[in-house]
Amino acid sequence: QQQVKQSPQSLIVQKGGISIINCAYENTAFDYFPWYQQFPGKGPALLIAIRPDVSEKKEGRFTISFNKSAKQFSLHIMDSQPGDSATYFCAASTPTSGTYKYIFGTGTRLKVLA
Amino acid sequence: DAGVTQSPTHLIKTRGQQVTLRCSPKSGHDTVSWYQQALGQGPQFIFQYYEEEERQRGNFPDRFSGHQFPNYSSELNVNALLLGDSALYLCASSRQLAEPQHFGDGTRLSIL
Repeated sequence: QQQVKQSPQSLIVQKGGISIINCAYENTAFDYFPWYQQFPGKGPALLIAIRPDVSEKKEGRFTISFNKSAKQFSLHIMDSQPGDSATYFCAASTPTSGTYKYIFGTGTRLKVLA
Repeated sequence: DAGVTQSPTHLIKTRGQQVTLRCSPKSGHDTVSWYQQALGQGPQFIFQYYEEEERQRGNFPDRFSGHQFPNYSSELNVNALLLGDSALYLCASSRQLAEPQHFGDGTRLSIL
């Protein structure tokens, strides 16, 4: 029940296209859902995050769509660029004794073709 | 504004040895979490420190231990190293147990 399932494992998109990555969870106690971007040799960098009280959040070219009833959320990257080529991780967290640990998905390797 | 810094960046050890990894949190942050990221996998939570105490622990054996200092920096210690401990060890910091967590670039630990 602590898992976060992420798909697809890899994704190839043409420059200017839309990249879509999906995540699903079971634990309804999760209340914070961040997305991280990781380049080779670097740590994960926070992209955007959402809480379950909103259905969509947009920051620049990145949008999170959240479906609470389906227990699913997704990352949309509009106008994808070669510089977006990286591994993307969704995560979920819930407070336990006042602390938060993140449960990560298995990652999606995105390649944007020039 | 310095982000999360970790040292060393790379480390090579042999089975059975012990290792200490270090982390300085982002300025203004007082909570440090440690994660293990195996190749091709997502990070897995090891434990979290706040006010110099371990507040939550993931599914890792007692060979993994940690410490937080009064200046909020932290150490991760791993004893009796196994080949399976080879991974990228990530430190993340946040403010007062809250989200979001900001990650460092990690320490790449290789066990021979």
